[in-house]
Amino acid sequence: AQTVTQSQPEMSVQEAETVTLSCTYDTSESDYYLFWYKQPPSRQMILVIRQEAYKQQNATENRFSVNFQKAAKSFSLKISDSQLGDAAMYFCAYRSPFSSGSARQLTFGSGTQLTVLP
Amino acid sequence: DSGVTQTPKHLITATGQRVTLRCSPRSGDLSVYWYQQSLDQGLQFLIQYYNGEERAKGNILERFSAQQFPDLHSELNLSSLELGDSALYFCASSSYERETGWADTQYFGPGTRLTVL
Repeated sequence: AQTVTQSQPEMSVQEAETVTLSCTYDTSESDYYLFWYKQPPSRQMILVIRQEAYKQQNATENRFSVNFQKAAKSFSLKISDSQLGDAAMYFCAYRSPFSSGSARQLTFGSGTQLTVLP
Repeated sequence: DSGVTQTPKHLITATGQRVTLRCSPRSGDLSVYWYQQSLDQGLQFLIQYYNGEERAKGNILERFSAQQFPDLHSELNLSSLELGDSALYFCASSSYERETGWADTQYFGPGTRLTVL
């Protein structure tokens, strides 16, 4: 079974600065999908960014980018020019590929609570 | 707004009772997933339906059941409720995204907060 580890329960960043949230995962599959979701105080789960493991190019979405290191099984999230609205719990998630026959549910890490300081 | 709706937003009930949580997926999405978020166990997958059929089961208790109807909405039934069932229950839906080529990215509803007293 796949596992996802987020070793930083809490992080803080100054407004306008850059912060990197860490995520590692354990899998024997060669192809898979990785996601970062954000959960603000409203508790809504919001997709931030997604990455296909077969793509070497790191995904970017505006101020959000990832550093995907497949060999190291690492998938960190970088938030540039941090804004007060970025304050939230961030979850890293793993999903198996269709071809594996595995179920397509998401396996989540335990989350990193990000505080943005004004 | 993800396009996934869940009702009710909040539910307070007593131990031993039965409740039904409802989810309407995004328009056109055939897959529905249910997740439970509790303080001690984090986010856990419960069950998946695809076009009315059960596709996968996770850590779902026997007291819990779900179904997906012909109009694709889904219901999660929780019975013989215990204090430990208090949690936030999420529904997510997914489909193939023709524009991006992505398949099965899950978009979450706002959740139903269940409190068992």
